[in-house]
Amino acid sequence: QKEVEQNSGPLSVPEGAIASLNCTYSDRGSQSFFWYRQYSGKSPELIMSIYSNGDKEDGRFTAQLNKASQYVSLLIRDSQPSDSATYLCAVLSTGSARQLTFGSGTQLTVLP
Amino acid sequence: DADVTQTPRNRITKTGKRIMLECSQTKGHDRMYWYRQDPGLGLQLIYYSFDVKDINKGEISDGYSVSRQAQAKFSLSLESAIPNQTALYFCATSDGAQETQYFGPGTRLLVL
Repeated sequence: QKEVEQNSGPLSVPEGAIASLNCTYSDRGSQSFFWYRQYSGKSPELIMSIYSNGDKEDGRFTAQLNKASQYVSLLIRDSQPSDSATYLCAVLSTGSARQLTFGSGTQLTVLP
Repeated sequence: DADVTQTPRNRITKTGKRIMLECSQTKGHDRMYWYRQDPGLGLQLIYYSFDVKDINKGEISDGYSVSRQAQAKFSLSLESAIPNQTALYFCATSDGAQETQYFGPGTRLLVL
């Protein structure tokens, strides 16, 4: 069983709508969570990090974390065609190794 | 100038050949990582290094080796390339504080 699960999509939303991306993880002790955006053929770039339960907002992006449910999500408000990309959820492992485990990504398409 | 650079950006090689992928960074980070990405599988950790004298295997290290020549340089070698090592390879760095990872532009490798 993969440790970080995401719906692979593709997820399509119209321009201006809210896109909701979801991620679940298996390591109950994890404390650090990240969302990366990856355009086709490009490298991942960090959008948001979140460490505490609740919501964290940055511009049009909101990350939500629920450690009890082992669930982290990313909301993109007022979606734009330029948001079309693959979104990777990453979870930092507990223990001394402190490795990031990535989900397989959700492909988002924002339709003009 | 890019903070994390990778060379070459593209490489075609034949089965059985030894090849080296190089990564350099100017971010001053101690931690460096090598990942491979296959379509639909997200990022898989090959090797990581927390300082010049520290090398650790990731989840898919078989068939690969690494060398940390300096704080700023981390090389990945394929001792005897095989076709299923065809993938996109990324180098990443982090400062070990919040564990945010910064990725290089990637090397696209094709093994014939």
